[in-house]
Amino acid sequence: EVQLVESGGGLVQPGGSLRLSCAASGFTFSDYEMNWVRQAPGKGLEWISYIYSSGSAKYYADSVKGRFTVSRDNAKNSLYLQMNSLRADDTAVYYCAREVVQLTDAFDIWGQGTLVTVSS
Amino acid sequence: DIVMTQTPLSTAVTLGQPASISCRSSQSLVHSDGGTYLSWLHQRPGQPPRLLIYKISNRFSGVPDRFSGSGAGTDFTLKISRVEAEDVGVFYCTQAIQYPYTFGQGTKLEIK
Repeated sequence: EVQLVESGGGLVQPGGSLRLSCAASGFTFSDYEMNWVRQAPGKGLEWISYIYSSGSAKYYADSVKGRFTVSRDNAKNSLYLQMNSLRADDTAVYYCAREVVQLTDAFDIWGQGTLVTVSS
Repeated sequence: DIVMTQTPLSTAVTLGQPASISCRSSQSLVHSDGGTYLSWLHQRPGQPPRLLIYKISNRFSGVPDRFSGSGAGTDFTLKISRVEAEDVGVFYCTQAIQYPYTFGQGTKLEIK
C-alpha cells in the first residue's frame, strides 16, 4: 500500500525547534518530488516547501524561508522538515504530500498529518 | 504569487442534486509543455486532503464519475452531478505551475 506517515509534531515554545519526519512506503521514494503543506486550525491549506527527488532543488514559502529546512534521505525513504525559530502562527497540522510530474505536478498521496502547536 | 479565488465559499446542496464550484487564477496556468497545472482536492472533516481531479479534467484513480472538471487558462469549474453524503467537506483548487504553489480558500459543501 502506498503510504506516507508523518511524525515529530508536538507542543513547543515560541522560538523553539522541531523536526518533522515523513516515512514513505509502497513506492520508490527516490523517484518522486515531495512537498510539505500545512493547515492552521480551522483554516485552509498552505504550501510551505518542495524538494526534488534527488534533493538537489528546494523551494520554500516566504512565511518559512530562512527558518525551515526541507531534506530527504532516499536510502531511508524519508522526508524531513527542520523547523527553527517557531512562532505562534506556525501552529498547524503539517502534511507531507507526493507530487507526480505525470499528473501535472498534482499531489496524489497525502499523509495523515502531524500537529505542531507553538505556545508558551 | 498566483492567487486562486474560489466561489462560492460555502454551499448547501440537497442529496442527489448537482453542485458547482468555480476557481479563478490570477495568472494563466498553462505551462510551456501545453499542460494546465490545475487540480482539485477534497478534504472530509478530520481527514487529509485527497486528489480528485488533475490537469483540469482528469479524474484521479478511484474518483467517482459524478465528479468532473472543466475550464481553461484562468477559469475552472468543478461539478458534482449528484451530491452524495460522502461529498461533505471542503474542496480546494490548487496550482502547480509556479512557486509558491497556492490553493484556493476552499469551498465548504454541506448537505441541505
